[in-house]
Amino acid sequence: QVTLKESGPVLVKPTEALTLTCTVSGFSLSTARMGVSWIRQPPGKALEWLAHIFSNDEKVYSTSLKSRLTISKDTSKSQVVLTMTNMDPMDTATYYCARIGSSPPLDFWGQGILVTVSS
Amino acid sequence: DIVMTQTPLSLSVTPGQPASISCKSSQSLLHSNGKTYLYWYLQKPGQSPHLLIYEVSSRFSGVPDRFSGSGSGTDFTLKISRVEAEDVGVYYCMQGTHLLTFGGGTKVEIK
Repeated sequence: QVTLKESGPVLVKPTEALTLTCTVSGFSLSTARMGVSWIRQPPGKALEWLAHIFSNDEKVYSTSLKSRLTISKDTSKSQVVLTMTNMDPMDTATYYCARIGSSPPLDFWGQGILVTVSS
Repeated sequence: DIVMTQTPLSLSVTPGQPASISCKSSQSLLHSNGKTYLYWYLQKPGQSPHLLIYEVSSRFSGVPDRFSGSGSGTDFTLKISRVEAEDVGVYYCMQGTHLLTFGGGTKVEIK
């Protein structure tokens, strides 16, 4: 059974960096072409894709947020980490991780974590 | 970047009646490999999104056959043949031909 779970701080201050972890089970981050995406959703707004990483360590970033994002993985821990720098109140959102790979993309999603940016 | 535009923004449907959602992309989603990477997701209230349709018209595992997808190039449609109460939520199209981009969403409510 495939599951993903996001973890990290629920409150960050403006200008600080946000680090989120996605812990997966039911599939391996070392399987060819398997990977994890991060997507966010501001309250009441649409989904926005942020980045993804594949088993071969290929990393792909949103054009608009590329300068602020870093994605990495620890295959032994079944974890994918997303760091976003210089957080702003506009970055307040629910952050989701989802599986991406050889099957249709984003076929399994985590429950999401609501991150609020406020002083 | 490819922009995805969904219409309408919201839809109120009588149970048992059909519903249709349009999704238009700012450029063709036909990949050089011949595939078209257009997907549909449903986010029910208080839940994470889940996949309904992949590559324009293929239903994902467990998705009822009242859901169907069609289209090509830049114009795509999701149809629900007979809306049920459990179909309420926000529907998103997403393109995967060049990076990933979601549409703005269409909220479906029951009359």
